[in-house]
Order: sequence, then C-alpha cells, then structure tokens
Amino acid sequence: GESVGLHLPTLSVQEGDNSIINCAYSNSASDYFIWYKQESGKGPQFIIDIRSNMDKRQGQRVTVLLNKTVKHLSLQIAATQPGDSAVYFCAEIGNSGYSTLTFGKGTMLLVSP
Amino acid sequence: ETGVTQSPTHLIKTRGQQVTLRCSSQSGHNTVSWYQQALGQGPQFIFQYYREEENGRGNFPPRFSGLQFPNYSSELNVNALELDDSALYLCASSLAGRGLSGNTIYFGEGSWLTVV
Repeated sequence: GESVGLHLPTLSVQEGDNSIINCAYSNSASDYFIWYKQESGKGPQFIIDIRSNMDKRQGQRVTVLLNKTVKHLSLQIAATQPGDSAVYFCAEIGNSGYSTLTFGKGTMLLVSP
Repeated sequence: ETGVTQSPTHLIKTRGQQVTLRCSSQSGHNTVSWYQQALGQGPQFIFQYYREEENGRGNFPPRFSGLQFPNYSSELNVNALELDDSALYLCASSLAGRGLSGNTIYFGEGSWLTVV
C-alpha cells in the first residue's frame, strides 16, 4: 500500500545547530503534506504544512522543502533548541478529497545543550 | 492548545471488555478523525466522521465503531478488546469535507488505553 517513510530514526544535534529531518513518500497523488512534532505522552502538534504546488514554505525557525520529482520532503529547524527534542512525523493527504493522514514511523530528534 | 479535547486520558480495560473514548473537536470544525498509535509507531487512521456520517475508514475491523453528534463531538467505541488494542487513541479535527482536503488538522492529546 501507499506509505510515507523517514530515512533516519534518530537524529542527535547540538543546541544551536540546524537540523534537517527527511521524509520519503510513495503516493505521487498526494497533494498536501504536514509535519508534526510529538513530545512524549502528548498528541501530535502541527508544525508546518505545504501543498503540492509549492516547493518551499517557511515558518518561525522551520522550513519545509518539497521535491515532487523524487517524492521527498524535508523539515529544517534553525538554531535547534533543547525544547525541540521530540519525535517528528511527516504525513500526507491524498487527493481523494478526504482529510485523512498517512504517517510514517517518525524521527526522534535529540538536542544536547 | 489545539482546542481538541479527549477523555479519558488514561484507562485500563480487561480483554473482552468494551471501551468508549470521547472527543470534542475544535470550535467550528465539522470533521473528526480517529487514529490509533501503537508504541513507537506513527498514528494509523481508523475512520473519519463528517456531518455525523462515516466518511472513510482505514484497515480496522468492525468492532471499531464510532459516532459523531450534531455538535461535531465524537465517540470511538471498541468492542471485544484485544491485547493488541493497547495504544494511544488520537482524535483529530479539521474544517473539511468532500473535496476540501488540505485544511489544517489538529490533534488532541489522546487517550491511553491499556488492555490486560
């Protein structure tokens, strides 16, 4: 079936570094992508989204890049802070018209002071 | 805060029992989806409700059922609980319907279910 997966299960960085979390998706018909942050014991927190007609979108300290040619999505976090430590998921929505998300397994981001 | 509230936050049930989980969607959101998240995994789509009707279903057996009420709140019911049903159950709300995919989807904090 269709799936969204991540290349790196764990990413360890130093405080102040920039972090890049990658995601590969397999459904070429997906038209909307969302990055979520999930802290231990909590629900997924919306970070940033991007539509398939865009290549890049920036938020506060975060940037999402979408490469539809290779079906690749990345989340860049600038000046990573200890509070950024969490599991990050990319999720996709297909073009069926229903707002249902397909998630990958997630990447754990560990930020050391 | 997302405005999506779930209850209870934690509960323990015995195999074979039934459980009901509840969700209040963000104000104005007419679509509620339920997801199951096993430990160490990403959330898996169970089903979605839009205007009180089931609007899509994932790969879950019929003993997983739901309801949506006129105020858009929702319930997830699981009958004949199995040990593998132990997971975090997440509710997500959005303002969307058929043909309107792409609206931001917000999650609640989830209900932790342990089946023993």
